[in-house]
Amino acid sequence: AQSVTQLDSHVSVSEGTPVLLRCNYSSSYSPSLFWYVQHPNKGLQLLLKYTSAATLVKGINGFEAEFKKSETSFHLTKPSAHMSDAAEYFCVVSALEGYQKVTFGTGTKLQVIP
Amino acid sequence: DSGVTQTPKHLITATGQRVTLRCSPRSGDLSVYWYQQSLDQGLQFLIQYYNGEERAKGNILERFSAQQFPDLHSELNLSSLELGDSALYFCASSPGTGTVAKNIQYFGAGTRLSVL
Repeated sequence: AQSVTQLDSHVSVSEGTPVLLRCNYSSSYSPSLFWYVQHPNKGLQLLLKYTSAATLVKGINGFEAEFKKSETSFHLTKPSAHMSDAAEYFCVVSALEGYQKVTFGTGTKLQVIP
Repeated sequence: DSGVTQTPKHLITATGQRVTLRCSPRSGDLSVYWYQQSLDQGLQFLIQYYNGEERAKGNILERFSAQQFPDLHSELNLSSLELGDSALYFCASSPGTGTVAKNIQYFGAGTRLSVL
């Protein structure tokens, strides 16, 4: 079975402060993990991906995520939030279970306060 | 620009009607996915096609159907529309071959369906 849990549906931070968006996953296979971002009225854009190489993954726009197998987590971080980071973020797990099975989390809405 | 094209961008129709949403995947991508995003249900996976064949099904209603054509474009058909079908419908494509790690999904801008 494969699942993704995004622990917070909404996160609010002040501009210039750190961002932490939490994601836990479950997979019977060696998964790949992704974070996507969706700005209002836009499609989803890939932020970063983990593919069993380095456990600390750097993405676009200063975002990073760390894969922790022992904690089955893949939290997304950014040292300093920018107003343009306000969006919805989706954690995704993907594994080959006969076919490429992809599961999206329920999303976390990030609000950045000026 | 992701390279995935969805048409139309907006669609307004009435209950009971039928509509067709179209998706052109990125050049070379064999897999196409359809998703529904609504305020109350969030992002829901509907169905996946790979090289013309159905590969996986998610929460797709029986009133909905999809197909992928020999040129790899895909269509999502929604029939007997209800008010609750109003949502953003996304198409994504990926190579569909090779490792899972390489199978990043690239999303189109979506079709916004309004059922009145």
